[in-house]
Amino acid sequence: DAGVIQSPRHEVTEMGQEVTLRCKPISGHDYLFWYRQTMMRGLELLIYFNNNVPIDDSGMPEDRFSAKMPNASFSTLKIQPSEPRDSAVYFCASSLNKMGTDTQYFGPGTRLTVL
Amino acid sequence: DQQVKQNSPSLSVQEGRISILNCDYTNSMFDYFLWYKKYPAEGPTFLISISSIKDKNEDGRFTVFLNKSAKHLSLHIVPSQPGDSAVYFCAAAARRNTDKLIFGTGTRLQVFP
Repeated sequence: DAGVIQSPRHEVTEMGQEVTLRCKPISGHDYLFWYRQTMMRGLELLIYFNNNVPIDDSGMPEDRFSAKMPNASFSTLKIQPSEPRDSAVYFCASSLNKMGTDTQYFGPGTRLTVL
Repeated sequence: DQQVKQNSPSLSVQEGRISILNCDYTNSMFDYFLWYKKYPAEGPTFLISISSIKDKNEDGRFTVFLNKSAKHLSLHIVPSQPGDSAVYFCAAAARRNTDKLIFGTGTRLQVFP
């Protein structure tokens, strides 16, 4: 398996623009997680899905952020409008089943820069 | 509010010596703890875990110790190798309540020759 795939790897945009990050989880994995990494806060969980259903979005910073998982092999994280403070590395991860009996497999991340 | 804290942002160790990375947590509901390693431009990868029913778990050069009364865990790497140079994240979960991991801010380990 190719692992978790994320695109784009790098994104530079201007404040106010819409940004869409994409993720393809490992085939057969039931859980998908979106994280944001910053120097100050480390790895923060934004939202996670189980069987394509959002379970916990309490980490989503504000209404400018939204995430979808239309099918088992694809998820998007959208920021609209983007702001400079959204600049960070965004990771997608997937796991086979309930955490504790498996671990999360991370993608390579998308480095977002908002000017 | 950081429920998982890694108070040392960086650590430098000589090759062959022991590396000790520390992690503290505040939530007494956490019952499962993990360490992830991250190289530049890559996603974190799982390294080792420990359940709260144990106080030690060993995997080759890596050992994790858990002190529940102090709400503290540590990762020992013996002997340290230059390839161990990476950022190490501590993570915790309350498996009975949720499927999500709470990560710390990470510690950057540099192993020099």
